[in-house]
Amino acid sequence: NAGVTQTPKFQVLKTGQSMTLQCAQDMNHNSMYWYRQDPGMGLRLIYYSASEGTTDKGEVPNGYNVSRLNKREFSLRLESAAPSQTSVYFCASSESGYFSQPKETQYFGPGTRLLVL
Amino acid sequence: RKEVEQDPGPFNVPEGATVAFNCTYSNSASQSFFWYRQDCRKEPKLLMSVYSSGNEDGRFTAQLNRASQYISLLIRDSKLSDSATYLCAVNIGNGGSQGNLIFGKGTKLSVKP
Repeated sequence: NAGVTQTPKFQVLKTGQSMTLQCAQDMNHNSMYWYRQDPGMGLRLIYYSASEGTTDKGEVPNGYNVSRLNKREFSLRLESAAPSQTSVYFCASSESGYFSQPKETQYFGPGTRLLVL
Repeated sequence: RKEVEQDPGPFNVPEGATVAFNCTYSNSASQSFFWYRQDCRKEPKLLMSVYSSGNEDGRFTAQLNRASQYISLLIRDSKLSDSATYLCAVNIGNGGSQGNLIFGKGTKLSVKP
């Protein structure tokens, strides 16, 4: 199993450009998440999808859109990139999102490093 | 009070030392707690889950104190390879409904020879 995969690994954009970050998981998880991580700010939730067909805003959704394409894939789109969106983006997945079972937690992808000039 | 708080460190300790980190949380209804390890320029990886009174895994012990609303991570006999940032995560759901994890900003540990 590959776990959670993300593409691309690195990306440089100019202000105003758009791009889509791709995420896929092969663990048959129901819930998927997008985070950004900035120095001194920790991991902040952008959007999440509790199950296929649903998406909800997290702590910092402005400037982003998401699509839960199917159970495996959850993409994050920047319509008009801004320098403030320079960050490391992590996708994660979990079995149900209830975290009530001892081994249920979130599994993270390797991240996408995005620089917006 | 922020939802999940950690001492950012850095904690600089010699090999073989015992080191402990605390993580406080504000939502008394939180049911699930985790410690993650994050190496430089890598993704967070689960280190331990903490569900009841705590648990132990080799040199690592995690404890939960519901009354004071904090979890702790104890590392005994520190190794150079333990150098990393340790993130705590708390479920903000109440167990009966789906919730999300809130992460602390992390505590940086540096183990020196």
